[in-house]
Amino acid sequence: NAGVTQTPKFQVLKTGQSMTLQCAQDMNHNSMYWYRQDPGMGLRLIYYSASEGTTDKGEVPNGYNVSRLNKREFSLRLESAAPSQTSVYFCASTSSGGPDTQYFGPGTRLTVL
Amino acid sequence: DAKTTQPTSMDCAEGRAANLPCNHSTISGNEYVYWYRQIHSQGPQYIIHGLKNNETNEMASLIITEDRKSSTLILPHATLRDTAVYYCIVRAFYGGATNKLIFGTGTLLAVQP
Repeated sequence: NAGVTQTPKFQVLKTGQSMTLQCAQDMNHNSMYWYRQDPGMGLRLIYYSASEGTTDKGEVPNGYNVSRLNKREFSLRLESAAPSQTSVYFCASTSSGGPDTQYFGPGTRLTVL
Repeated sequence: DAKTTQPTSMDCAEGRAANLPCNHSTISGNEYVYWYRQIHSQGPQYIIHGLKNNETNEMASLIITEDRKSSTLILPHATLRDTAVYYCIVRAFYGGATNKLIFGTGTLLAVQP
């Protein structure tokens, strides 16, 4: 039981390049989330997926797209990376029903030059 | 979701109890108090949550005042590995739909040897 896994762990992009951050969970959770964390700040929600087949915007969705590929996987795509998207990206998941808790992945450290 | 206020930082001696306060004076009746922590460079980790009653688990205790306007997270015997940023989050239970967490900047707890 690996929990929430994220790939890659580190990535450096040039401005304008695109990339996809991958996230997978093996806990049979319905809901998945993408957060970003800038230095010295708390986490901010980018997008979330309450269940397979649905996605919704969070606090800071501009510049990102997401895909809930299946129940296990939730990917985050940067179509045209900008330096302002330099951050640490965390994926999380939770089961639905009850005041349950979120489980977080180890994060992806992205630098956009 | 109600807003929370936490001290920016706190120190604690190793082996002593760490008491981390949180104010949530605008909390409403259906909102839970959650605590997460984030050890440097890792994803946040769930600690404990409660609604009205005090709660205890293997990691910590949560004391919620009778009026629910504030709470205290207690780590009974702090170790160096407890050095982390601790987030107090207040969130309503939406019945399994969008379990979003709104992170503030948290309290940096530094456990001193």
